[in-house]
Amino acid sequence: KAGVTQTPRYLIKTRGQQVTLSCSPISGHRSVSWYQQTPGQGLQFLFEYFSETQRNKGNFPGRFSGRQFSNSRSEMNVSTLELGDSALYLCASSSRGGLSGELFFGEGSRLTVL
Amino acid sequence: DAKTTQPPSMDCAEGRAANLPCNHSTISGNEYVYWYRQIHSQGPQYIIHGLKNNETNEMASLIITEDRKSSTLILPHATLRDTAVYYCIVRVMDTGFQKLVFGTGTRLLVSP
Repeated sequence: KAGVTQTPRYLIKTRGQQVTLSCSPISGHRSVSWYQQTPGQGLQFLFEYFSETQRNKGNFPGRFSGRQFSNSRSEMNVSTLELGDSALYLCASSSRGGLSGELFFGEGSRLTVL
Repeated sequence: DAKTTQPPSMDCAEGRAANLPCNHSTISGNEYVYWYRQIHSQGPQYIIHGLKNNETNEMASLIITEDRKSSTLILPHATLRDTAVYYCIVRVMDTGFQKLVFGTGTRLLVSP
């Protein structure tokens, strides 16, 4: 079956703009979680959505937000972009909520902020 | 705050066992330890997870010390395709939310 799909794969924005990233989970998976990966900070957990509700979250500012639709597809939005937001953004899906069990990751969206 | 510590890099000869250590001395009794690996330009791939007991699957074994302060991921017969960055991760409860705390990863290089 198809894996986790993230779009776009690459994008370039300027400071102050906003960006929306999309994640389509594996069919039947109701949990989608998001992560930021940078050379300096490594991998960091952003938040998790399950059945259209944010269930868990990490320690990121409110500029980072997300939502999940009834078909389990999820979007992540970053407003008022800063240079430090340049990163690989990964999403993962799971059949179980609460970040438990096996997570299936997409290949990521690479964001560059100029 | 929960934290995991891993060596930055390790080498292993093809066919030999690779033993990757992780220190997670601050986790509590009901917090799981997960291992994932990431091959360049791909998303992380699940390997194994455990709570207290040792675990084994088709990919690897996970040995957790009795005091749960550390664990070791064992790849019994490393191949060139096992070259990757291996992340030790703990799932913790923080201010009412579950979250995953990632280690900095160990870059494993398997050589012929």
